Amino acid sequence: AQKITQTQPGMFVQEKEAVTLDCTYDTSDPSYGLFWYKQPSSGEMIFLIYQGSYDQQNATEGRYSLNFQKARKSANLVISASQLGDSAMYFCAMREGVYNFNKFYFGSGTKLNVKP
Amino acid sequence: EPEVTQTPSHQVTQMGQEVILRCVPISNHLYFYWYRQILGQKVEFLVSFYNNEISEKSEIFDDQFSVERPDGSNFTLKIRSTKLEDSAMYFCASMTGHSLLYYGYTFGSGTRLTVV
Repeated sequence: AQKITQTQPGMFVQEKEAVTLDCTYDTSDPSYGLFWYKQPSSGEMIFLIYQGSYDQQNATEGRYSLNFQKARKSANLVISASQLGDSAMYFCAMREGVYNFNKFYFGSGTKLNVKP
Repeated sequence: EPEVTQTPSHQVTQMGQEVILRCVPISNHLYFYWYRQILGQKVEFLVSFYNNEISEKSEIFDDQFSVERPDGSNFTLKIRSTKLEDSAMYFCASMTGHSLLYYGYTFGSGTRLTVV
């Protein structure tokens, strides 16, 4: 079974609108972390936001928020007020266990295009 | 802000040749990683390295691959005899070693390897 599933290969959004990128995960470990990374066309991986499995509240970082639904095992990224610079690939990732040096599992990514 | 530096940014090599990808992790980090991303696909874990030895490796990381930290600052990935299917973006990452699950890795900007 896939550890991380992103079902939207590509998304379009109008500038200034909000967009939700879907992510579901699969783990039996009670301790895990969920991450979103942005990969612009230049290729680097940029950390956006983190949600821990024991966190009671959804994570927010500026225009990014994470809609964490633990029972459904989903961790969707919401980008509010989209900007042209948000056009990029977005990867959901998970790290299992309590140690932050464990490996990441990545999803296949969603390519977001922001239209002017 | 400290960064993980990878060189070269793009390397083209003949099939069957040895290639060494270089990374300079953040200086006080303790854990080091290589991931790869075949074009258009997900990012996949290759290997993690701690205390001068491999701590975990994936099934992708076969005998053709090796890693070392030769001088306390560089972290290298060697592919002994490259194959066409080794063409990918290779990401180096490093990690502080704190025990909190929060921390994401710091990724380098990647080396795009093209095997011809």
